[in-house]
Amino acid sequence: KAGVTQTPRYLIKTRGQQVTLSCSPISGHRSVSWYQQTPGQGLQFLFEYFSETQRNKGNFPGRFSGRQFSNSRSEMNVSTLELGDSALYLCASNRGSTDTQYFGPGTRLTVL
Amino acid sequence: DQQVKQNSPSLSVQEGRISILNCDYTNSMFDYFLWYKKYPAEGPTFLISISSIKDKNEDGRFTVFLNKSAKHLSLHIVPSQPGDSAVYFCAVRLSGSARQLTFGSGTQLTVLP
Repeated sequence: KAGVTQTPRYLIKTRGQQVTLSCSPISGHRSVSWYQQTPGQGLQFLFEYFSETQRNKGNFPGRFSGRQFSNSRSEMNVSTLELGDSALYLCASNRGSTDTQYFGPGTRLTVL
Repeated sequence: DQQVKQNSPSLSVQEGRISILNCDYTNSMFDYFLWYKKYPAEGPTFLISISSIKDKNEDGRFTVFLNKSAKHLSLHIVPSQPGDSAVYFCAVRLSGSARQLTFGSGTQLTVLP
């Protein structure tokens, strides 16, 4: 069974731009969560989607948003990029009834 | 205020010996605990988990111990192998927040041949 896939793997943007990251969960997994990893803050929860609905949101500004499609694929958008948004963005999926999240390889975003 | 702490940023162990990684948490409402392994430029890989109704769970070379009274979690790797060298994160779930994990800061394990 294929794992969680994320595209693109690497991205370079400049301040003020916006970016969209994509995540395809493991087949059969309906929940997708997003995390940000930075050297200073570690791994932090952004939000979680299940059946196209955001069910949980971390402590991030409104510039960070997401959505989930009917096939469970998810996108994350960051608007008005800041230097501090440079990070590894990780997507994780799990079946609705299980507690283990499986992570994708991440998208490395660099904001110049 | 860190709810999950991994106080050892790094640990070096000889191949074949036991590796013990520790994690402390503050909130007694955490009810599910996981360990992930992470290599550079990759996403975390799930290793093993334990629910709050248990105090031990084994899977091959990996054993997780949970001491609820001390709010302490540990991962034992026996025997340690050079391929185990990676950053290990503990993660916890708050009861009722099924898919929101809070992670520790990680411990870099180096297994020396």
